[in-house]
Amino acid sequence: DVKVTQSSRYLVKRTGEKVFLECVQDMDHENMFWYRQDPGLGLRLIYFSYDVKMKEKGDIPEGYSVSREKKERFSLILESASTNQTSMYLCASSFGPRGGELFFGEGSRLTVL
Amino acid sequence: AQSVSQHNHHVILSEAASLELGCNYSYGGTVNLFWYVQYPGQHLQLLLKYFSGDPLVKGIKGFEAEFIKSKFSFNLRKPSVQWSDTAEYFCAVNTNQAGTALIFGKGTTLSVSS
Repeated sequence: DVKVTQSSRYLVKRTGEKVFLECVQDMDHENMFWYRQDPGLGLRLIYFSYDVKMKEKGDIPEGYSVSREKKERFSLILESASTNQTSMYLCASSFGPRGGELFFGEGSRLTVL
Repeated sequence: AQSVSQHNHHVILSEAASLELGCNYSYGGTVNLFWYVQYPGQHLQLLLKYFSGDPLVKGIKGFEAEFIKSKFSFNLRKPSVQWSDTAEYFCAVNTNQAGTALIFGKGTTLSVSS
């Protein structure tokens, strides 16, 4: 089975702190994604990557950056956390040049105070 | 840019009732279509997917969906729901082009009473 592991299930940070969310997948998938999930808004795409060191902006990249130095790892960075970034963050991966089925991690619930 | 619209935000049904959740997308080219489900406290998992071929797709747990290209729709159905179907359901689409990502609708919360 595909396993997508997010390093932290729950985080509490203060406004202005730098936040790292880590995601690792074990199935050699080319594509990796970061979404945020908010009630009533569904899943919104922040960034995605279809190859090592490659990244593409999603629908809501402002306030976020990403890093993909190794194929299996995709990190989401909040340079200066703000209260409106309090959310559930979901990492996902998929196989192949045209994506397809996404495999999701358990999610990281971030609270910014 | 493509978008996905789910018509119902919250659906409440009794057990054994039939279910249909609407999903429309806006993209004129070839698409891949998906329905995901998120049970309370669990991660998102795939219910079913459509890439090509028979427009009536069967998924897990008795769910099915029909792709109607002329209506840009991919509605989810189940003839008889169970209490365990209580969950949030997401429709998603990608454009079958290299380097694109899956775009999700806002989700529909289904509550089934026993």
